[in-house]
Amino acid sequence: GAGVSQSPRYKVAKRGQDVALRCDPISGHVSLFWYQQALGQGPEFLTYFQNEAQLDKSGLPSDRFFAERPEGSVSTLKIQRTQQEDSAVYLCASSGTGTSFDEQFFGPGTRLTVL
Amino acid sequence: RKEVEQDPGPFNVPEGATVAFNCTYSNSASQSFFWYRQDCRKEPKLLMSVYSSGNEDGRFTAQLNRASQYISLLIRDSKLSDSATYLCVVNIQENTGFQKLVFGTGTRLLVSP
Repeated sequence: GAGVSQSPRYKVAKRGQDVALRCDPISGHVSLFWYQQALGQGPEFLTYFQNEAQLDKSGLPSDRFFAERPEGSVSTLKIQRTQQEDSAVYLCASSGTGTSFDEQFFGPGTRLTVL
Repeated sequence: RKEVEQDPGPFNVPEGATVAFNCTYSNSASQSFFWYRQDCRKEPKLLMSVYSSGNEDGRFTAQLNRASQYISLLIRDSKLSDSATYLCVVNIQENTGFQKLVFGTGTRLLVSP
């Protein structure tokens, strides 16, 4: 079966541009997570959805970051007015249940480079 | 202090060697622990969960020491294909009650012929 997919795989943006990153979780998975992974670091939690409800967005670094999952399936992470420090790999993960105890399945990530 | 700390390495070992990684965590209330593997420019994948009693999966053994708040991963008879970054992962409960996974920076392993 299909795993988690993300698009685009690579994105180059000029500083100040808005970007939108898409995540298609595994069909039927309740939980969806977004992470940011800088070079040489582990993934850092950004936000979490249980179905369409965004239950935690404490990891979003600023109000330029916004995420949604309107129908409880596909999710979009939007970054407004991108800055150079936003350059990172953005990973999406999904899991079958509504807890963090369950295995999270990661997508391949979107590598964002802000010039 | 970081919530999850790991030695970034790299650990350079020959094929067949035994290698061990440790990881420490700061939140004594953490209940779930995992090791994820991440290949270069790929996504993390679950290697194994870590149970209080310790657990083994083939050449891999994971141990948890709650008193000292550290987790270990032992790899026996290293293969070239074991070369990767090993991420220590701990679940942390926030004030909201939500539990999230916190990843260490990863320990890089290079197995050479």
